[in-house]
Amino acid sequence: GDSVTQMEGPVTLSEEAFLTINCTYTATGYPSLFWYVQYPGEGLQLLLKATKADDKGSNKGFEATYRKETTSFHLEKGSVQVSDSAVYFCALSDVSNTGKLIFGQGTTLQVKP
Amino acid sequence: SQTIHQWPATLVQPVGSPLSLECTVEGTSNPNLYWYRQAAGRGLQLLFYSVGIGQISSEVPQNLSASRPQDRQFILSSKKLLLSDSGFYLCAWSEDPGGKLFFGSGTQLSVL
Repeated sequence: GDSVTQMEGPVTLSEEAFLTINCTYTATGYPSLFWYVQYPGEGLQLLLKATKADDKGSNKGFEATYRKETTSFHLEKGSVQVSDSAVYFCALSDVSNTGKLIFGQGTTLQVKP
Repeated sequence: SQTIHQWPATLVQPVGSPLSLECTVEGTSNPNLYWYRQAAGRGLQLLFYSVGIGQISSEVPQNLSASRPQDRQFILSSKKLLLSDSGFYLCAWSEDPGGKLFFGSGTQLSVL
């Protein structure tokens, strides 16, 4: 069945460092791909998404490109801030378009000043 | 604007006791509603989703059930909790299938 695999955390970076969180997926067909973020004490919220191959999703300085050839959707940011500390979830949508999402296990990011 | 309410935030229950978690959505009509669970060290797992009143689809066989008595109310229940039911439960809604999901703040359930 469909699945999502994220790099294990926690990831600890200094402020202004470059961030990459790897995400690869297994799916039949061509799902949409998402990154969700959960800030401390808050609910999950959509960070960015891409709906087809070679699309690049971007938001708040974060980017991720839908790579069909490598079945990947890695999250990147050029310069992280302390406020980016959170748990990041990669997800794909069920291709039958029922709205169901399959999530990775989440990666905790801690940014130190 | 739309908001989603989920309660309680934390819950400690003994094995064998019943469970009722409630989720309500405001500011929209006929939303798609979802219950997810995050177990320790694992990803989010879809438990139930609903496209309308009284319409519930179950994704995994388990000790839990869901009901949608009103358009914007989604309830997760169990008659007898198991230790394995411990986890973080998230309610979510979307306006249409495949659309952006909006999540509640979650309920941390500990079954002892």
